[in-house]
Amino acid sequence: NAGVTQTPKFRILKIGQSMTLQCTQDMNHNYMYWYRQDPGMGLKLIYYSVGAGITDKGEVPNGYNVSRSTTEDFPLRLELAAPSQTSVYFCASSYSRSGETQYFGPGTRLLVL
Amino acid sequence: RKEVEQDPGPFNVPEGATVAFNCTYSNSASQSFFWYRQDCRKEPKLLMSVYSSGNEDGRFTAQLNRASQYISLLIRDSKLSDSATYLCVVKGNTGGFKTIFGAGTRLFVKA
Repeated sequence: NAGVTQTPKFRILKIGQSMTLQCTQDMNHNYMYWYRQDPGMGLKLIYYSVGAGITDKGEVPNGYNVSRSTTEDFPLRLELAAPSQTSVYFCASSYSRSGETQYFGPGTRLLVL
Repeated sequence: RKEVEQDPGPFNVPEGATVAFNCTYSNSASQSFFWYRQDCRKEPKLLMSVYSSGNEDGRFTAQLNRASQYISLLIRDSKLSDSATYLCVVKGNTGGFKTIFGAGTRLFVKA
């Protein structure tokens, strides 16, 4: 199993550009999450999904959108990139929402200039 | 007050030392507690869960004090490979099982 994979690993965007961060898991997990991690800060939940076709906002959803058309994929969309969105983005999955272990992808480093 | 607070560190310790990390949480209704490890520029990985009775995994011991809303992680006989950031994680069992990550405590183990 590859676990949770994310692409790209690193990206530089100009203000106002858009992009999609890809996330795929092969563990047949129902629950998937997007976090952002700023330097010296804890992970903040952006969006989460409890299954295909179902998504919900986390703590910091503004400026982002998600979709979940399949169990495996959970892309994160930035429509109008802003410098405040410079961060490291982690996708994670778990067997259940109450489950103990969240498995994280390797992260996407995004720089918005 | 932050929902989950940790000593920011960094902790600089020699190999073989014992080091303890502390974490406090504000929501008394929190139900599940974990320690994750994050290496530099890598993703977080589960180190261990924290149970009310306390639990041990080799050189690592985790304890929970619900009355004081306090979690600890003890590392004995530190190794160079223990150098990382340790994240305290607290989860509720209502409201979508909200998971809160602490900012982490950085540990450097030196030879």
